Amino acid sequence: TQLLEQSPQFLSIQEGENLTVYCNSSSVFSSLQWYRQEPGEGPVLLVTVVTGGEVKKLKRLTFQFGDARKDSSLHITAAQPGDTGLYLCAGLNTGNQFYFGTGTSLTVIP
Amino acid sequence: DAEITQSPRHKITETGRQVTLACHQTWNHNNMFWYRQDLGHGLRLIHYSYGVQDTNKGEVSDGYSVSRSNTEDLPLTLESAASSQTSVYFCASRQNRAGELFFGEGSRLTVL
Repeated sequence: TQLLEQSPQFLSIQEGENLTVYCNSSSVFSSLQWYRQEPGEGPVLLVTVVTGGEVKKLKRLTFQFGDARKDSSLHITAAQPGDTGLYLCAGLNTGNQFYFGTGTSLTVIP
Repeated sequence: DAEITQSPRHKITETGRQVTLACHQTWNHNNMFWYRQDLGHGLRLIHYSYGVQDTNKGEVSDGYSVSRSNTEDLPLTLESAASSQTSVYFCASRQNRAGELFFGEGSRLTVL
C-alpha cells in the first residue's frame, strides 16, 4: 500500500481567508490528481499534475507537484463558501493505479 | 450525456447475506473500478477491470468479488456481508490508464 497522507484532515475557515492543503507520500508517483467531493456525490477531478515542480492554477486554486514527485499542495486564495467540500489527492503509481489520500474536509464559513 | 450510475443508492442488510452492488457506465470506458470510502482512509481500491473478462484485486479485496461480462457493467458482490463492510462504495471508470476518473454517486451499505 502506497500511503498518501493529507493534512490537515479537517479545516474550518472564514470566507476570504487563504489556506493550503498538503498531500505527502514516501512513494514516487508518475502523476497526481486532485479531486473535490461534495456530500452525497462522487469525487470530481480538479487537476492533474505530471511533471516534478509543476504548478497549475485554476482560478483561485493553485496546485503544485513536488520536485521529487512524492508530494503535492493545494492553495486556495480568498476562500468562498462554494469551496466547501472534501479534497482528495490521488497518486498514479507505476502499476497505473491511483492511490487516494486520506482527504481534507474544508468548511468555509460565510 | 454519458454517465455512470450505481444501484442501489442505499442498502441495509444483515451479516452473512450476499449483496450485489450494480455499476453501469455509458462512457464506453474499458477501465472500471470499485472503491470504498471510510472516514480517515480516503478511497481504497477494492477491485478493478481493464476490459471484458479482465478482473484484478485491489488493496482491500478480501470478501469482495467482481465480474466483467460486458463493457458497461462491473457488479460488486459481497459473498457474506460483514459489519466491517459497512461503508460507502463508489464505482468509477476512465478512458485510459492515466486519465480522469469518472465516479458514480455512491452506494451506502449498512451491514447489521
